[in-house]
Amino acid sequence: DGGITQSPKYLFRKEGQNVTLSCEQNLNHDAMYWYRQDPGQGLRLIYYSQIVNDFQKGDIAEGYSVSREKKESFPLTVTSAQKNPTAFYLCASSIASGTGTDTQYFGPGTRLTVL
Amino acid sequence: AQKVTQAQTEISVVEKEDVTLDCVYETRDTTYYLFWYKQPPSGELVFLIRRNSFDEQNEISGRYSWNFQKSTSSFNFTITASQVVDSAVYFCARASGNTGKLIFGQGTTLQVKP
Repeated sequence: DGGITQSPKYLFRKEGQNVTLSCEQNLNHDAMYWYRQDPGQGLRLIYYSQIVNDFQKGDIAEGYSVSREKKESFPLTVTSAQKNPTAFYLCASSIASGTGTDTQYFGPGTRLTVL
Repeated sequence: AQKVTQAQTEISVVEKEDVTLDCVYETRDTTYYLFWYKQPPSGELVFLIRRNSFDEQNEISGRYSWNFQKSTSSFNFTITASQVVDSAVYFCARASGNTGKLIFGQGTTLQVKP
């Protein structure tokens, strides 16, 4: 079945540690996105990539890093520089026609808790 | 910033009632796209609808309907004869420019009681 997978579903991190969240899609989509959701709030864009080997910062990129070495994969690293990383992280993908019209489809999310 | 506002934080209705979720957006673009997503307790966002700014016709899909009014920058969502399974957080969003970035509203939590 086509879709977006994220792993792990739950992740616990000690302060000062870097952690990497996985996002994989088999929809053959060019564009991929990472969002952060805090309780009672909407989603905020962290990073996005419209093509392999290229990515751009979103609205809240500080303390995060990404890579896009393969079309189907867009891992997100939460570094120790991120001051308040406890949140729900959602990955999305879209066709990326370049017109801003594409529907984004979301994965099931990873809930990160810093202990 | 060009915001998307969902003024209703929480709505509670009894099953079979109709309910409307409001969405107001800001934009300087002449062409833009609007979206509604549903987030059930499992957390995954489920796509419901995409609407472009040139198409102001109302849309109906089963018990769901959407009213897009460009003059008031609103894109409201109505659920007719609500069911317990409709309980979720609903997000309105607008696509920004040519990057496909989505600007989300704060979400409206809908609780449908039996």
